[in-house]
Formats: sequence, structure tokens, C-alpha cells
Amino acid sequence: DQQVKQNSPSLSVQEGRISILNCDYTNSMFDYFLWYKKYPAEGPTFLISISSIKDKNEDGRFTVFLNKSAKHLSLHIVPSQPGDSAVYFCAARGETSGSRLTFGEGTQLTVNP
Amino acid sequence: EAGVAQSPRYKIIEKRQSVAFWCNPISGHATLYWYQQILGQGPKLLIQFQNNGVVDDSQLPKDRFSAERLKGVDSTLKIQPAKLEDSAVYLCASSLRGDSYYNEQFFGPGTRLTVL
Repeated sequence: DQQVKQNSPSLSVQEGRISILNCDYTNSMFDYFLWYKKYPAEGPTFLISISSIKDKNEDGRFTVFLNKSAKHLSLHIVPSQPGDSAVYFCAARGETSGSRLTFGEGTQLTVNP
Repeated sequence: EAGVAQSPRYKIIEKRQSVAFWCNPISGHATLYWYQQILGQGPKLLIQFQNNGVVDDSQLPKDRFSAERLKGVDSTLKIQPAKLEDSAVYLCASSLRGDSYYNEQFFGPGTRLTVL
């Protein structure tokens, strides 16, 4: 049962344009969502998070939007830079599962110069 | 601040052999996690320690996987015997306190295991 899904395995955008990465979840008990970024041969690093009491959180070029009714979140990167090329994982947790994170499959973002 | 250290970085074994991975978390981090990441999938939590006690091992295949964190600092994860489907990257992560809901988890570089 895949509770967190990232339906796009890959995304390619031009430098300077917007990158939009999407994530859907099925577990209504999830109330905290995170995005991680992973470069090859490195572990994932935390990027940005959002609590279910909010619908938007912004940090520099990165903005996460949460639509609870649709059980959908998205990560916007504006403007995209070649250094943003990495695998992006969406993750979620709920109070009933403690600090356990449930990850999506990941989306490979490629930003072309 | 030194990050989460893992060794070895790569390991190739034959099925039915045993293997062990080591993790040293960030100094002062009470909570340690082991994740399994199979190619094309996201990381899946295997076990979570709070200091030297197990908090969550509900997704650990206990017939072949074991983990310990005897002194509440570094940890080892063992597979015995290994199966082909255990081929994956094994990630260790740590956080300051696992009981704080919003604590960030810091990941190590992982150990890539190939079972032939």
C-alpha cells in the first residue's frame, strides 16, 4: 500500500523557469509533510516542510503548497538552477506513527542550462 | 558539525551470506534510524532507536535482520542470511530527539548492498 506517491519519475526544465514537483497521499492521518533532496552517492537532505494547519510555506526559491482536501502537495522551485538537479522525495508523517517518515518514490529533476 | 557516518559505502555478497553495516550519528543526537531504499523506491524505515532502546521496529524483517545500539551512540545493522531482494541502499539517519514531532532527520551517505 503506497501511502505517498510521486507519479512523475522524472522532470526536465530549463534554467530560470519554474519546476513543479507533485506528491499525493492517501493516509488522512498524515499531518506533517517534508521534501528531501538527494544527490547521487549522498543521503537525502531536508529541504522544506509544511504542517497541515498551513496551505503554503516558502523558503527562498522553494515553496510548498498543501491541498488537504485533495490530499496533494507540490514543491515549486523558482527560478530553477542547474544545481537543483537531484532526486526529490516527498515524505509524510502522522501522530499515530510517531516520527516515522513515509516516503514517496522520488522524482528526478534535471535543470538544463 | 560532522554529519552521519556510515561504513562500508559499498558491499557485494552472495545470497545466504551475512553482512553488517555501521552507523555513527551526529554527536548528541538521541534518535537513530535505519532505512532501506530499494532502487526506484523511497526510503522505508526499518528500525528507530531512542538512545539505546528500540522505539519502532514494526517494519524490520526480524527473521533475518537485526540491529543494536548498545551504548546509545553508534549502531550496527545485520542481515543474516541475505536474500537477493535485500539488494538496496541502507541509510542511517539521526535526529536530536525523536519524540519532538518536528525534529529534522539528518541522513548519512548510505551503504549500497548488492546480493548476488
